[in-house]
Amino acid sequence: GENVEQHPSTLSVQEGDSAVIKCTYSDSASNYFPWYKQELGKRPQLIIDIRSNVGEKKDQRIAVTLNKTAKHFSLHITETQPEDSAVYFCAASINGLTFGKGTHLIIQP
Amino acid sequence: SAVISQKPSRDICQRGTSLTIQCQVDSQVTMMFWYRQQPGQSLTLIATANQGSEATYESGFVIDKFPISRPNLTFSTLTVSNMSPEDSSIYLCSVVRATNEKLFFGSGTQLSVL
Repeated sequence: GENVEQHPSTLSVQEGDSAVIKCTYSDSASNYFPWYKQELGKRPQLIIDIRSNVGEKKDQRIAVTLNKTAKHFSLHITETQPEDSAVYFCAASINGLTFGKGTHLIIQP
Repeated sequence: SAVISQKPSRDICQRGTSLTIQCQVDSQVTMMFWYRQQPGQSLTLIATANQGSEATYESGFVIDKFPISRPNLTFSTLTVSNMSPEDSSIYLCSVVRATNEKLFFGSGTQLSVL
């Protein structure tokens, strides 16, 4: 089955700086790559996703890039704000989502 | 996105008992899934709830322990049977409204087993 690796497990950045979280996947048949944000005690919320026919997608301060050849994809958050502090999960899908282990993003004021 | 209601939101249960979690969606959805999130961990797929037929379980999860029902396109239940402290987790219902659409999560059920 699919295996998703996510790095780093914890990321601390200064407010206003950029944050990058990286994931790799094992199954080249995976064709859908969402990112979820989970605040403490809340459900995971979909923040952005990308399909395998696209290399990059942007939504305001958030962007995702996909390299199918290398089987990796990344989440980029620019101009970070305190409310960006959360755990972020990447996932890859063929039939059903396989999640990475998560990245705890800490925004330092 | 669909409105996904889960209940109970939390429960504390005794070892050896069973708990049934309900998931209700405000509109018909193509697919419903059940995930488990152990404390501080990632999301692990338990099974796909199939309407009118037996659920499809992932490796490591069995029907006797986690029986699932899905009588229609808007409702599903997950039962955690013969509970032990290792079953203490958040259980999340999730749905996909139509093929190639996005996956959304319910509010979750926080289960503690004593």
